[in-house]
Amino acid sequence: SQQGEEDPQALSIQEGENATMNCSYKTSINNLQWYRQNSGRGLVHLILIRSNEREKHSGRLRVTLDTSKKSSSLLITASRAADTASYFCATDGDTGGFKTIFGAGTRLFVKA
Amino acid sequence: SAVISQKPSRDICQRGTSLTIQCQVDSQVTMMFWYRQQPGQSLTLIATANQGSEATYESGFVIDKFPISRPNLTFSTLTVSNMSPEDSSIYLCSVELASSGANVLTFGAGSRLTVL
Repeated sequence: SQQGEEDPQALSIQEGENATMNCSYKTSINNLQWYRQNSGRGLVHLILIRSNEREKHSGRLRVTLDTSKKSSSLLITASRAADTASYFCATDGDTGGFKTIFGAGTRLFVKA
Repeated sequence: SAVISQKPSRDICQRGTSLTIQCQVDSQVTMMFWYRQQPGQSLTLIATANQGSEATYESGFVIDKFPISRPNLTFSTLTVSNMSPEDSSIYLCSVELASSGANVLTFGAGSRLTVL
């Protein structure tokens, strides 16, 4: 079953604006990850945040994690047309850490 | 990070036929994961393939429909059997990055199947 629920389902912004995507999950986790998928291709890992971390940065990406609310957000600053893709959060959920369960995903469209 | 070669990249199949998808990794890995992504949807884990043992299937997926082979530590196949249009999906194999210390996955480019 799907672990993560993401919102918005789709997001359209202008180049240069910031994009924020949210993810909620249901069970306890060891870590939460964000992946990106271009045009139905394979997924690319973006960033991992562990359950004892609250915020993490990587380039233009900023991820937050609130384990009390079972939620995470991904912020992409100064977006570019090349950021157009689907973004998925993923957790190890209640699986003993052996499996990765993906959320529904957010489709981001950045207009040039 | 591991490099995964997956083939075919896409195929159009007739109802009732079967298709085998191959996944080759450039390094030895313990576990390989097969996911399905139906059109416009997220990824759903089909099964986990360990070398030397039978694959472990997730709820809703059975070996008769999705037989998996794992003959060695760098290769796996997933067969989609007796296909119907509902099997039209992208099928992705993935492996865990050993250096991550967590279940960070590397994915193949996917196999896009269309069943007529």
